[in-house]
Order: sequence, then structure tokens, then C-alpha cells
Amino acid sequence: DAGVIQSPRHEVTEMGQEVTLRCKPISGHNSLFWYRQTMMRGLELLIYFNNNVPIDDSGMPEDRFSAKMPNASFSTLKIQPSEPRDSAVYFCASSFPGGGEQYFGPGTRLTVT
Amino acid sequence: GQQVMQIPQYQHVQEGEDFTTYCNSSTTLSNIQWYKQRPGGHPVFLIQLVKSGEVKKQKRLTFQFGEAKKNSSLHITATQTTDVGTYFCAAPTGTASKLTFGTGTRLQVTL
Repeated sequence: DAGVIQSPRHEVTEMGQEVTLRCKPISGHNSLFWYRQTMMRGLELLIYFNNNVPIDDSGMPEDRFSAKMPNASFSTLKIQPSEPRDSAVYFCASSFPGGGEQYFGPGTRLTVT
Repeated sequence: GQQVMQIPQYQHVQEGEDFTTYCNSSTTLSNIQWYKQRPGGHPVFLIQLVKSGEVKKQKRLTFQFGEAKKNSSLHITATQTTDVGTYFCAAPTGTASKLTFGTGTRLQVTL
């Protein structure tokens, strides 16, 4: 198995632009998680899905952030408009439901100038 | 909401020295997981502890879950440069699938 796949690996954009991050979970995993990691705030859960349905989006910072999971093998995290404070590494992770181990993707390093 | 605190935030040791990181919760945990993140990498699952007082070993790593299931520790014996990274504990929060990650302990090992 290729593991969790994320794209792009690096993204540099200007303030105000739309950014879309993509994730393909491990086949057979029913839960998908989006995290953001910064030096100041550590690893934060933004949103997670069970069986393609958003279960908890309480970590989504504000309306500029949105996430979708149209099918079991694909999810997107969109930021519109982006701001410099959104600069961080964004990880996608997947797991079987029930709180078991999570498998993280390699992350997308986002820089907003 | 539930918070999971880790200490220390950072530790610098010489190769061959031991290292311990501690994880504490204000509430009783159903289980606790440990992850390692190498510099520039992503968190990788190490182990899960479920039972009160449980102790598990992986080569030079020893994981413990407290009797009250509110704390846990990770001990590395005779550190090596390959142990460098940030170690996180994580515990289920609210719904079964969601994990709250601790603040992490960054380990630096020098020769």
C-alpha cells in the first residue's frame, strides 16, 4: 500500500489566493483527519470524517476554511482567501473507525506571503 | 475540553544517555497512543496502551500507562542519534475516532 497520499507537498501562494490541498487515504480506512501543525500551536485537528461524512469540524479556524470528502478515496481542504497566518504544515491522516492508530501522509507545507 | 500535557518540551542528551517523556491528562483515558515525528517528517504510530498499569517494550523503548489511566511515559534506554525527533502522546477525545495530541517532547541527541 502506498500509504496516505497528499498533494501538493509544497505550496507557496500570495495572500488572498485560494489554496486547495488534496488527500487520498489508505484504501479501506473509514476515518479521515485533517491536521495543522505550527511551532506555536503544535498539532491541531481541524476536521474529521467517518464514512465520508464530516463528524467534527470544531477545529476549523473560520469560514475561510472548508473541507469535503466526495468519496472514500479523496478529500480536499480549501482555504479561501488565504492569509499569512495560515502558513503551516497540513497533514491528512486516515484510520479504521474507533480511535485506533492513525496513518499520516507526508504533509503539505503551505507558505502564504 | 480535554488537554494532554507533555513534559519536558525539549531535551538534549548525549548519545548513550537515557531519556524519558511524560504525558498527563486531567481525565481518565480509555487508551493512549504514542507517535514519533522525525525532523521534516510526519507523525508515525509507535504503540497503543489500553490497560491500567500496562507496560510494553519495543527494543530500547519502554511505554507505561499509569494505574489511574491518567498518565503515561515513554523511556528510551541508551539513546542513539536515530532517536532524534518529537515524541507525541495522543488520547481519544469525545467521539471514539478523534484523538487529542499532546504538546510533544523534542529530543535532540548528540555524539
